[in-house]
Parts: sequence; C-alpha cells; structure tokens
Amino acid sequence: KAGVTQTPRYLIKTRGQQVTLSCSPISGHRSVSWYQQTPGQGLQFLFEYFSETQRNKGNFPGRFSGRQFSNSRSEMNVSTLELGDSALYLCASSLFGTSEIDTQYFGPGTRLTVL
Amino acid sequence: AQTVTQSQPEMSVQEAETVTLSCTYDTSESDYYLFWYKQPPSRQMILVIRQEAYKQQNATENRFSVNFQKAAKSFSLKISDSQLGDAAMYFCACTSNSGYALNFGKGTSLLVTP
Repeated sequence: KAGVTQTPRYLIKTRGQQVTLSCSPISGHRSVSWYQQTPGQGLQFLFEYFSETQRNKGNFPGRFSGRQFSNSRSEMNVSTLELGDSALYLCASSLFGTSEIDTQYFGPGTRLTVL
Repeated sequence: AQTVTQSQPEMSVQEAETVTLSCTYDTSESDYYLFWYKQPPSRQMILVIRQEAYKQQNATENRFSVNFQKAAKSFSLKISDSQLGDAAMYFCACTSNSGYALNFGKGTSLLVTP
C-alpha cells in the first residue's frame, strides 16, 4: 500500500506570495493532519481534517488554512508569506483520526523556503 | 494543555549497546496515547512504538521497548543492540481523545558510533 505523499517536495517563494501544499493520504485513511517543523519551534500542529471537515486547529494565524476533498486528499494554503513561514510542512494520515485505534503515518514533507 | 519534554538534546551510543531516551509529559486527560517517532536525515517521520495510557504493560517492538510510568508521567524509550541505522532524531509525542493532535517534544538526536 502506498504511503502518504506530499507535493511538491521543495518550494521557494518570496515574501507576500501565497502557497498551496498538497497531501494524499494512505488509501482508506480519512483523517489528515498538518504539522509545521522549524528548528526553533520544533513540531507544531496546524490542523486536522476528517470527512472534509476541520475538527481541530492549532495556534496559527488565519493566513494558514486548509481543506479536504471527498477523496480525503488535503491541501493547505499559506497566504501573505513571511520569512518565518520557512519550514518543513508535514502531513500525516490515519484511518479515523481517533486516538483509540489509530496511528498517524507521516509523509516525506514539503520544504518551504521564503525569501 | 499538554506538554512533552525531552531533556536530552543529544545522545550517543556504540553499536550493539543499549541506550535509553527520556521523555516526560504533562496532561490533564485521563485517556491518552504516547508515541515515539524516528526522523532520519531523510526527514521522513517513522513510527517506532506506541503506548496506550490505560495499558499497564510496557509496549515492545523488536529491539525497541518503553518504560511507561503513568504516575510519574514518564515515557522512556530503550533501544537494545543499537545499529548504525538507528541514528536519527527521536521525538516523543502525546495525544488525547479531546482533539486529535500530536504534541511533540523537541527531540533527541541519537548518534550511533561503530
């Protein structure tokens, strides 16, 4: 079974631009979570989607948004990019998004550099 | 709110030896789950082991085992017979039923020497 895929793997943008990252979960998985990883802040939760609904959101400004499609694929968007948005963005998928029987499996990440 | 603390930024172990990575957490939830993830230089996060808080028995997965002390809120990872391929950043994480989000520690960088 194919793992979680993320596209693109690398991205370079300039301040003020916007960016869209894509995540395809493992087949059959309906929950998708997004995390931001930086050297200073470590791994921080952005948001989680299940059946096209955002169920949980981390402490990030409104410039960070996401959505999930009917096939469980998810996108996240960052508008008005700032230098501090440079990070590795990780997507994780799980079956139902409930802790009881689930484990999150991670994709390889998208490395975003903002110049 | 939950916090996860990994007090060892770096650890080193010789091949074939055993090493223990420490993790403490703070949660007000009664039901939660704990994980260790490994992140090699490729940056791919790989699940190492998971532990359900309601289970008293420590989880094991081949050479990897945990020492789960619920009262002390401690969740350490023991790697036996260390291999060069174990070299990576190891992250401890905690989640709960109140919202499916993983809270990660800052990580421990493990170096394995021949």
